[in-house]
Amino acid sequence: GQSLEQPSEVTAVEGAIVQINCTYQTSGFYGLSWYQQHDGGAPTFLSYNALDGLEETGRFSSFLSRSDSYGYLLLQELQMKDSASYFCAPHSGGYQKVTFGTGTKLQVIP
Amino acid sequence: DTEVTQTPKHLVMGMTNKKSLKCEQHMGHRAMYWYKQKAKKPPELMFVYSYEKLSINESVPSRFSPECPNSSLLNLHLHALQPEDSALYLCASSQEAGQGDTQYFGPGTRLTVL
Repeated sequence: GQSLEQPSEVTAVEGAIVQINCTYQTSGFYGLSWYQQHDGGAPTFLSYNALDGLEETGRFSSFLSRSDSYGYLLLQELQMKDSASYFCAPHSGGYQKVTFGTGTKLQVIP
Repeated sequence: DTEVTQTPKHLVMGMTNKKSLKCEQHMGHRAMYWYKQKAKKPPELMFVYSYEKLSINESVPSRFSPECPNSSLLNLHLHALQPEDSALYLCASSQEAGQGDTQYFGPGTRLTVL
């Protein structure tokens, strides 16, 4: 079977740092992606971790621990435009099967 | 050009209608995908095409029929849909259907079935 858990909602202040956690149980796990989706918009790729450790891309970083089946997305210097839903998405099996988590709705407040 | 385009943006159809959704990319990607997204839910994978061949069908009802006429185009033919099929239909593409490739999403077609 497969399961994914992320917090449903997070609120943070502009300029602060926020961490969105993701735990997964996926057979044939290859790696973990993160996507951002604004209301009414399409998902946009943020990052991908195939190996344990931290990947940094500008204000966003993503971490993976394969042994713990756990990852997180770290957003620094939060801006109002970061208000969106964030999905963790494990890759499993062949042919790029990506399963989206339930999503975390981030609200950035002034 | 990192754009995936989808037409139409909005579609309203009756349960007896036949319609098609279209998706196009010119990034030279060899993998294309259809997802379905209901309000306040994550995208759910429907189909994956790799090198113009169907490689994944996530047990989608036969009233949804995908077609990949060439490496740049992906269609989703709709027939005898139900009201519960109303959703945002997203198309995506990636370089290959391998692990870790970034998927680029189109803006989606918002489908309403009456």
